Amino acid sequence: KAGVTQTPRYLIKTRGQQVTLSCSPISGHRSVSWYQQTPGQGLQFLFEYFSETQRNKGNFPGRFSGRQFSNSRSEMNVSTLELGDSALYLCASSLGTGGMNYGYTFGSGTRLTVV
Amino acid sequence: GDSVTQMEGPVTLSEEACLTINCTYTATGYPSLFWYVQYPGEGLQLLLKATKADDKGSNKGFEATYRKETTSFHLEKGSVQVSDSAVYFCALSVPGYSTLTFGKGTMLLVSP
Repeated sequence: KAGVTQTPRYLIKTRGQQVTLSCSPISGHRSVSWYQQTPGQGLQFLFEYFSETQRNKGNFPGRFSGRQFSNSRSEMNVSTLELGDSALYLCASSLGTGGMNYGYTFGSGTRLTVV
Repeated sequence: GDSVTQMEGPVTLSEEACLTINCTYTATGYPSLFWYVQYPGEGLQLLLKATKADDKGSNKGFEATYRKETTSFHLEKGSVQVSDSAVYFCALSVPGYSTLTFGKGTMLLVSP
């Protein structure tokens, strides 16, 4: 059974550019969540999607957005990149939403470096 | 708001030593509690979880007990191995929400 796949694994972008990250959940999983991991702030929740609808959103500026497709694959986009956006972005998938009974499986992440 | 506090690392141990990583939480409602582990260059793996008071989660020799009276969920292992070297995260989620709130993480370094 394939795990959660995140692409690309590594990315280098220049300040002011935008970037799109992709996440393919485990087959059959309908919920996808995104987290940002930095040395200073640790792991912070970005947003959660379930059945193509955003269910929850963390405390991030509007430059951070996401979407989910009908096949449950998800993308997140960051516009007007800042140096502080350099981080490991983790995606997690789950069968359902609204509680942790389903459990989450994390991908290996996309390492974004903004220069 | 909800928060998780865990001991700062790194925790440095010799192989076969006992491990305890402290974790305390603040949450509204009755949270579920988790320990995740992150190996270098990888994502997070669920190590164990507990969903109600006095529950004990266990996996791969690691254990943690949900203590509501002390709002704690300390991670323990009786004999660590070099392969246990990783960063360990304590986390919680509140009922009805899928969002995980993480602690800052504790790095464990085990030497032969």
